[in-house]
Formats: sequence, structure tokens, C-alpha cells
Amino acid sequence: DAGITQSPRHKVTETGTPVTLRCHQTENHRYMYWYRQDPGHGLRLIHYSYGVKDTDKGEVSDGYSVSRSKTEDFLLTLESATSSQTSVYFCAISGGERETQYFGPGTRLLVL
Amino acid sequence: GQNIDQPTEMTATEGAIVQINCTYQTSGFNGLFWYQQHAGEAPTFLSYNVLDGLEEKGRFSSFLSRSKGYSYLLLKELQMKDSASYLCAVRVLSNDYKLSFGAGTTVTVRA
Repeated sequence: DAGITQSPRHKVTETGTPVTLRCHQTENHRYMYWYRQDPGHGLRLIHYSYGVKDTDKGEVSDGYSVSRSKTEDFLLTLESATSSQTSVYFCAISGGERETQYFGPGTRLLVL
Repeated sequence: GQNIDQPTEMTATEGAIVQINCTYQTSGFNGLFWYQQHAGEAPTFLSYNVLDGLEEKGRFSSFLSRSKGYSYLLLKELQMKDSASYLCAVRVLSNDYKLSFGAGTTVTVRA
């Protein structure tokens, strides 16, 4: 299994508070991705990174920001959490010959 | 994004075969992936197709027809542990290896 961890694994927060989720990899892969997964929508890309300090938006980036100061860490920040951001968040890295994406265990976020 | 369609739910009996179809519309196709996701867990990689034809891996096989924008995942000799959601994902030619996912097909295996 690819070495990917996410923290926290579960979080409950209140509307309007900032939240930061962390993704950590031990594979030294260049590409990292943040997704959210909601019933009926499947996995949707929020932001991704193609190197240290190199990031770009995905299809559902509004209300989210990211940072990557080290190869191994990719942070997702909700500047001011809203109830619509209640979701399961997955981090992924891509590597290997086919640049296959491998997923972290996920973070369940509940915004009250 | 890409338009990716797959059935929402399928039910099959233990020991049987189930075929999960996935259709897509895209330009610059650069591969199709299948993932398995058990309830409450992360998706795990099952298969990858970039050329037309069948890829077999144990009880699971995946087929691709690029001209038809069509793939299927075939699960043989179904076991109870195969009850899960199966996600179809398409990659297009780019420098960032992004994937677009279908909504997933929930397969329930009955005894």
C-alpha cells in the first residue's frame, strides 16, 4: 500500500471556523490531490499539486485553499467552514509507471 | 469535466458473475481506471486500461473500447466480500494526471 496518511480522521466543527486537513505521504511522489466525496456525486477534485509550492484548482475549489511547502505534506484549508462542506475528504497521490492514483484513508468532516 | 455514466446499483448472487458498465465522453483519452470502495473506506485501485481489449486479473477483468467510449468491469465467482462500490474514472492527456470519476456502482452480493 502507498504510504499515505490523513489527519485528523474525524472532525466536528462549527460554521464559520477555519479547518485544516493534512495529507502526508512517504512515497516522495510529485502529484497530490484533494477530493471530496458526497452521496450521488462520486469523487470530485478540489485542488491538486504538481510539486512544492505548485498547486492548481479542481472542479469544486470555491471555499478551499491548499498549500504544499514540502514534498510529503499537502494541506487543505477551509477558510470559513459551511454546512455544505460537510463531507468525506480524500487525499490521493499518483505514482508508478502509470501514475496511478492511490488514496489515503479519508477524513470525515461535519460542519454544524 | 468528462461525462461518465455507470449504473447506480446492481445485485447479484454469491458465485455468480456481474458486469458493471461505464460509458464516457471525452477528448484526449489517456486511460480508464476502476476502483473498489468498501463502505466507510478509501477507494483501492483495481485495474487500468489504455488500449482496447480485455485485462484479466484473477476474478476481475476490465474491458475497454475507445471508439465506443465504453468499458466494463467483470466480477466472476462473486464472494460476499465483493459487496462494495465500484468507481470508473477517466484520465485525459494533460501534465497533471487528473482523474474524473463516475458516481459509482454499488454492488450487493446476496447469499
